[in-house]
Amino acid sequence: ETGVTQSPTHLIKTRGQQVTLRCSSQSGHNTVSWYQQALGQGPQFIFQYYREEENGRGNFPPRFSGLQFPNYSSELNVNALELDDSALYLCASGWDISSYEQYFGPGTRLTVT
Amino acid sequence: ELKVEQNPLFLSMQEGKNYTIYCNYSTTSDRLYWYRQDPGKSLESLFVLLSNGAVKQEGRLMASLDTKARLSTLHITAAVHDLSATYFCAGRWPSNYQLIWGAGTKLIIKP
Repeated sequence: ETGVTQSPTHLIKTRGQQVTLRCSSQSGHNTVSWYQQALGQGPQFIFQYYREEENGRGNFPPRFSGLQFPNYSSELNVNALELDDSALYLCASGWDISSYEQYFGPGTRLTVT
Repeated sequence: ELKVEQNPLFLSMQEGKNYTIYCNYSTTSDRLYWYRQDPGKSLESLFVLLSNGAVKQEGRLMASLDTKARLSTLHITAAVHDLSATYFCAGRWPSNYQLIWGAGTKLIIKP
C-alpha cells in the first residue's frame, strides 16, 4: 500500500472524446509523474510536475496535459482520444525531484473504442 | 539519450532453479530501479541501486549494479511459483529525472 490512489479504476471512452484521470498523492509529496503503459510494454514517461509546475515531458503530444494542485492531487487530461491511447495510466509521487523513491498508484485502465 | 534494454523478455523456468535477468543501459544514469508487476496491477518497487558495485538482496532476489559496464542484474535463487510476474528495470536520466524503462521480462515459474 503506497498511499497513492487513482480514479477511476477503469474507463471506456470513444475516439475523439476527452478524458480526465485523477491521482491523489501522499501528503508532503511535491512531485508527481504520469506514465502510459500499453499492454505488454514498459511504462512511458508522459510528464512530471513539481510544486504545481511542469518539470519535464516525454515524447507525448500537447493533447496530453496535466495539473498538480496544492492539496497533493493531480490530473492527467487527454483530448481528442485516439485508439492508441488505450493503456494503463499510472501516476507516481515522491517527496522531491531528486528523491530516489517513487510511489506508484494502482493505475487507471483506459479503453478507447 | 538514455535507452534501457532487458533480456530475456520472456523466461519460463522450473521451481528451484536459479536464473538472471540482465538490464543494459546506454548512457549515464544516476540510479537504477527494479520493479515487479503482476498482471493487471501496478508497479511494486523492489530495489534502487545508487552506486557502482551496489548489491541489494531481498529474499530470493538479488540485484547488482556495474556502472562501468552499464549493466544491472536481477538474480533469482531457487525460484518459487510466487515469483511469477513481469520484472522491469528503469534508469533515471539525470538531466531531467525522467525514468526510462526496459520492456520488461515476463517470468513464469512452473511448479
